[in-house]
Order: sequence, then C-alpha cells, then structure tokens
Amino acid sequence: QVRLVQSGAEVKKPGASVKVSCKASGYRFISYGISWVRQAPGQGLEWMGWISAYNGHTNYAQKFQGRVTMTTDTSTSTAYMELRSLRSDDTAVYYCARERDPFGVVIDWFDPWGQGTLVTVSS
Amino acid sequence: NFMLTQPHSVSESPGKTVTISCTRSSGNIASNYVQWYQQRPGSAPTTVIYDDNQRPSGVPDRFSGSIDSSSNSASLTISGLMTEDEADYYCQSYDNPIRVFGGGTKLTVL
Repeated sequence: QVRLVQSGAEVKKPGASVKVSCKASGYRFISYGISWVRQAPGQGLEWMGWISAYNGHTNYAQKFQGRVTMTTDTSTSTAYMELRSLRSDDTAVYYCARERDPFGVVIDWFDPWGQGTLVTVSS
Repeated sequence: NFMLTQPHSVSESPGKTVTISCTRSSGNIASNYVQWYQQRPGSAPTTVIYDDNQRPSGVPDRFSGSIDSSSNSASLTISGLMTEDEADYYCQSYDNPIRVFGGGTKLTVL
C-alpha cells in the first residue's frame, strides 16, 4: 500500500538545524510531489512548501523562505525537509504528504500523510 | 495571500447533523478546489472530502461537501453523527503555488 514513513523525533537547541526524512513506498516516487506541513502543539496545520519528486522544483511558503530547504533522493524514494536557525516556536510535529501532480500545475489533495515527526527546540 | 476562516468549535448530539463552514477572505471560493481533513488526537490528518464534494473510498456517505459562491464559503456536513466523528476538521484550498489551511474546527459529539 502507499505509505510515507518519517524519521524519528528530534530535540534541537535554538539556532541549530534539523533535517526530517520521509520515505515513500507503494508507488512510483517521481510521479508525484511532496508537501511539508507542520503543527505546533495545540495549534492548526501550516503549509511549509512543496517539492516535485520528478525534477526537484520547489515552492516555499513566504514565511519559511531562506530558512527551509526541501530535497529528494529518487534512488531511495525519500524526501527531506531541512529547517535552519531553529527557534522555540519551531517546536511542532512536521508532516510530509503526497500530492498528485509532479509538476505543480494542478494542486491536489494531500494523500497519504506521513505519521509525523516531533521536533522540539529547547535550550 | 488569502485566509480560510472556520468556527473554533461546534458540538452536536449523536444522530444529528452538523455543518462546519470555511470562508475564504479574498478570491473566489469556486476558483480553486476545497479539501477537508479529519484529525483525531495524536494522529495524522486524513481526507474526508476532496475537490469540493468528492469522498475518498472508505469515507462514509454521511460526509458531504459543498461550496456557496454567494458567501464565498465551503461547508462540510456530517449527518447521522457518531461518537467516532469527534475530531478536529480542517479545510484547505490554494492559490497556486500557495496552499492554505483553515484554522480548524473542533467537533464535539455529546
């Protein structure tokens, strides 16, 4: 079945970076895109950006421009999200989610989602 | 960018019908599809409605979606409420390339 399995929880100090992975299985990785969404404790969902698994093209939410980098490794069907200069308000569960169009022309629903990765930023 | 506004919470009794609204602040709600996600505590979101009114396989027909251009809003309606429907619900739309979520609505079935 189609699955996205994310890396485990992380604890980071302010100013550090974190890199979360999202390994896809059950489908042809390069035929889709991946979005990253985060959720702070007790808060709602926040879209961070999207990457094409076909050509690596990215779109980032303005809020994260300059601080986030999304990449893929097609040899392992894995997407990565790196967030730099971490602050306490970056403490959140980070999700990856598949999108249908690998070119970003048609924006579709997120399905499936990874299980989430808790990133805690604390001194 | 636009915003999607949802009520913070709604509550209803089992067996009843509830509707959750999602109002788009700017731009035409009908121009871009709206999705609805259900999130239970401690779990990742799952899709209950996509493309305004389509149900993924496995989602019961008690869930339905609609849009209303006159109010520039989308709605999720759940009929025959069950205790298992108690969850947070998020609407989501886009203005390419930006995806936007509503703030979420906590549904209590009591």
